Parts: sequence; C-alpha cells; structure tokens
Amino acid sequence: KAGVTQTPRYLIKTRGQQVTLSCSPISGHRSVSWYQQTPGQGLQFLFEYFSETQRNKGNFPGRFSGRQFSNSRSEMNVSTLELGDSALYLCASSLWGWETQYFGPGTRLLVL
Amino acid sequence: SQQGEEDPQALSIQEGENATMNCSYKTSINNLQWYRQNSGRGLVHLILIRSNEREKHSGRLRVTLDTSKKSSSLLITASRAADTASYFCAPVRGETSGSRLTFGEGTQLTVNP
Repeated sequence: KAGVTQTPRYLIKTRGQQVTLSCSPISGHRSVSWYQQTPGQGLQFLFEYFSETQRNKGNFPGRFSGRQFSNSRSEMNVSTLELGDSALYLCASSLWGWETQYFGPGTRLLVL
Repeated sequence: SQQGEEDPQALSIQEGENATMNCSYKTSINNLQWYRQNSGRGLVHLILIRSNEREKHSGRLRVTLDTSKKSSSLLITASRAADTASYFCAPVRGETSGSRLTFGEGTQLTVNP
C-alpha cells in the first residue's frame, strides 16, 4: 500500500497570506489527523477528521481549519498567516483513529 | 492530561550499547504508542502496546507497560548509528478519544559510531 502523502513538501508564504495543505491517507483509512511541530512548542495536535466530520480539535485559533473529502483526502487551511505559523505540518492516517497512526513526510511552511 | 512525558530528554551512547527510554502518563489508557522521528521528517510508528499487555517485542525493540505506575519503557538493543532520532510516546485513552495523540518533548537519542 502507498503511504501517506502530503503536498506540497515545502512552502514559503508572507504574513497575511493564506495557505492550503493537502494530505492523502493510506487507502481504506478513514481518520486523518493534523499536527504542527515547532522547535518551541513541539508536536501539537490540530484536529482530526473521520468520515468527513471533525471529531477532535486542538487548541488552535480559528485561522486553522480543515476538511475531509468523501475519498478521505484531507486539506488544512491557515488564513492570515503569522510568522509563528512557520512549522512542519504533519498529517497522519489510521483506520479508526485510536490505533497505529501512519504519518506523512510533512509540509514545511516558512512564513516571511 | 493524556500527554506522555519522555525521560531522559537526551541520551548519548556508543554503537552496540542498549538504550532505554521511559514514558510516564497520568490518565487511564487503552493503548500506548511509541514513535521515532528522524530530524525534520515524519514520525514512524514503532510499537503499540495495549493496556492488558505487559511486554511487547519487535526486532531489537522491547516495550514494557506498567499501568499501575502509569509508565512505559522502550529498550533498543544493540543500537546502531541509524537509531539516532527522537523518540516519542503517546498514551491513548480509548476509542472515544479518536486519534488525538499528545506528545511530550521526546527523548533525543544519539548513537555514536
């Protein structure tokens, strides 16, 4: 089976812009979660989607949003980018959510 | 909090030695998962141990779980330079918690050739 893929792998944006990141889960997986990793805050959970519905949400402002399509592919959007949004964004997929998570390679976002 | 706390924060050993990392958590769990992250890359799942299991092996990895002490340990035997990475534990409360993994700062393992 193909692994979790994320696009793009690298992205440079300027403050105030918005960005959309994409994640394609492993075939058959219905749960997709997103994480932000920064040197200062470490790995933090953003949100989880299961069968096109947001099931869990972390403590991030409303500028961070996501969605999941019927084929389980997921997108996350960050509006009005801030310098502090520079991070590695990881997505992970699993069958039901509470078992093994399979992570993608991440999207590295740099906000200037 | 469902967060796992890894200890030590950093560990440096020579190739061939064993490495032991510990994880503590505060809530009851359904399972506990260990992940590895090479610098700047995605996380790789190592082992999932369920709350009714006490020990689990996978190749050179051995994980133990003590639910009474709310702690787990990861042992890597005969370490190799390629084992150099950050290691994270993630306690999972159960089905209702979905996939919300909460990570600590991890243990940075350096294996010197």
